[in-house]
Amino acid sequence: AQKITQTQPGMFVQEKEAVTLDCTYDTSDPSYGLFWYKQPSSGEMIFLIYQGSYDQQNATEGRYSLNFQKARKSANLVISASQLGDSAMYFCAMREGPGINKFYFGSGTKLNVKP
Amino acid sequence: DGGITQSPKYLFRKEGQNVTLSCEQNLNHDAMYWYRQDPGQGLRLIYYSQIVNDFQKGDIAEGYSVSREKKESFPLTVTSAQKNPTAFYLCASKTLGTSGSTDTQYFGPGTRLTVL
Repeated sequence: AQKITQTQPGMFVQEKEAVTLDCTYDTSDPSYGLFWYKQPSSGEMIFLIYQGSYDQQNATEGRYSLNFQKARKSANLVISASQLGDSAMYFCAMREGPGINKFYFGSGTKLNVKP
Repeated sequence: DGGITQSPKYLFRKEGQNVTLSCEQNLNHDAMYWYRQDPGQGLRLIYYSQIVNDFQKGDIAEGYSVSREKKESFPLTVTSAQKNPTAFYLCASKTLGTSGSTDTQYFGPGTRLTVL
């Protein structure tokens, strides 16, 4: 079974609007971390936001927030006030368990921000 | 500046040739990783290492080899046994024993390999 599932291959959003990128995960480990990365066309991977499985509150980093629904095993990324520079691929990733340093990545969502 | 460097940025290889991709980090990170990315796809783990002189196979290790003789270096060799090596290769590193947002991987700029 897929560890990380991103069901939206591509998304469009109007500049200045908010957009939600979906991510569901599969693990039986009670301790895990969830990550979102941005990959512009240049190829580098940029870390955006982290959510730990024991965190009580949803993570926020500037215009990025993570809608963490543990029972549903979902960790959706919300980008508020989209900017043209947000156009990129976005990847959800998971690291299982403490001391385990293997990461699993989803297939990504390509976000296009329209002016 | 601290970071991860990968060289070369673009690499062309003839069929049947082995080629080595370089990855160096000066972040004093313990763990290092190699990923392969095909167009429009996510990252797939080739190999990872958590300590010098030790490494583990990832999900697609066949046709690849690595070494970890120094903490800061984790070169990847794409051998002639890899049947479809044309892809974008990303190296990453992270420290161990951390939690929270510091538990993230840090990525290099990548190497684009093309087999002619």
